[in-house]
Amino acid sequence: AQKITQTQPGMFVQEKEAVTLDCTYDTSDPSYGLFWYKQPSSGEMIFLIYQGSYDQQNATEGRYSLNFQKARKSANLVISASQLGDSAMYFCAMREGRGYSTLTFGKGTMLLVSP
Amino acid sequence: NAGVTQTPKFQVLKTGQSMTLQCAQDMNHEYMSWYRQDPGMGLRLIHYSVGAGITDQGEVPNGYNVSRSTTEDFPLRLLSAAPSQTSVYFCASSYRTGADNEKLFFGSGTQLSVL
Repeated sequence: AQKITQTQPGMFVQEKEAVTLDCTYDTSDPSYGLFWYKQPSSGEMIFLIYQGSYDQQNATEGRYSLNFQKARKSANLVISASQLGDSAMYFCAMREGRGYSTLTFGKGTMLLVSP
Repeated sequence: NAGVTQTPKFQVLKTGQSMTLQCAQDMNHEYMSWYRQDPGMGLRLIHYSVGAGITDQGEVPNGYNVSRSTTEDFPLRLLSAAPSQTSVYFCASSYRTGADNEKLFFGSGTQLSVL
């Protein structure tokens, strides 16, 4: 079974609207971390936001927030007030347990923001 | 502050040729790793290292060798390139603090084509 599932290969949103990118995960470890990375067309990987399994509140970083639903094992990325520069591939990733920094990535969602 | 430096940025090989992808980081990170990115597959872990002299296999290690003689460098070797190894390769590093929120810092990637 896939550890990280991103079911939306592509998403379209108009500028200034909010968009939610879905991510579900599978782990039996009580300690884990969830990450979102952005990959623009230039190819670099940009860290956006992190959510820990024991965090009581949803993470937020500027226009990015993480809708963490532990019981559903989902960690959806919400981008508010989309901008043209948000057009990119977005990856959800998970680290299980502690100690090593191995991240398992989902297959990604391509987001296109239109004017 | 260079961060994670990968060379070369582009490479074309013939089947059966060997080459080494270079990765260096100047952040004194204990953890380093190599991922490959293929369309529709996300990023998959090839090999990783938690410190000098220590390496381990990831999800897709076949056809690749690594070594870690220094903290700074983590080269990836293709001993006999195959067309299936055509991909974009990313090197990534982080501290090994055991903290859940330790994010990976990525290099800019190497686009490899094997003909």
